[in-house]
Amino acid sequence: DAKTTQPNSMESNEEEPVHLPCNHSTISGTDYIHWYRQLPSQGPEYVIHGLTSNVNNRMASLAIAEDRKSSTLILHRATLRDAAVYYCILRDGGYNSGNTPLVFGKGTRLSVIA
Amino acid sequence: DVKVTQSSRYLVKRTGEKVFLECVQDMDHENMFWYRQDPGLGLRLIYFSYDVKMKEKGDIPEGYSVSREKKERFSLILESASTNQTSMYLCASSLFSGTRILPYNSPLHFGNGTRLTVT
Repeated sequence: DAKTTQPNSMESNEEEPVHLPCNHSTISGTDYIHWYRQLPSQGPEYVIHGLTSNVNNRMASLAIAEDRKSSTLILHRATLRDAAVYYCILRDGGYNSGNTPLVFGKGTRLSVIA
Repeated sequence: DVKVTQSSRYLVKRTGEKVFLECVQDMDHENMFWYRQDPGLGLRLIYFSYDVKMKEKGDIPEGYSVSREKKERFSLILESASTNQTSMYLCASSLFSGTRILPYNSPLHFGNGTRLTVT
């Protein structure tokens, strides 16, 4: 799987939007962009994933650059419960890629200030 | 909701003991995974399994083995525990997806982890 680069940490004020960036300049045509987050003392949880188009779900939005070399996870209104480590992961979705596991990087530690 | 249950939240074992970490999922998922998480190193894959009795090595399998006798249960075994195996162990499961219609993107569902201390 191709590599991603994320800032080590970010800070946000409560109830403000948060934009978490991820660079993946070596992304291939069949790589999907996945985001997971890990709250303190819990296992990681799935947030969202996409291929080319922007995606929205109840947790967040995913904005993907036109050239797909970067993406941004958007939390529309940060709450204290959103404080977590956020992981951006590329996963080959090609039919012949095999059912490969996720490879986690270091992620971005998001702090939310009340 | 998918539930992945790890048998113990905290475990303390002595060096040389044989240790079993158990993981059960209730959603009939084909895939199951064991990761360990250490400060500064992130999550690293130990072993995974695509089906009953099948296993594949991950990035750091040395010192570990696994067992998948039933679809819902995936066990991680430390044959002879050592202090460098003190870590947080995380189990995960996912639906198998291997068709042209459903590419390999089923989300992973994680348990809350077992913090193992080997003294």
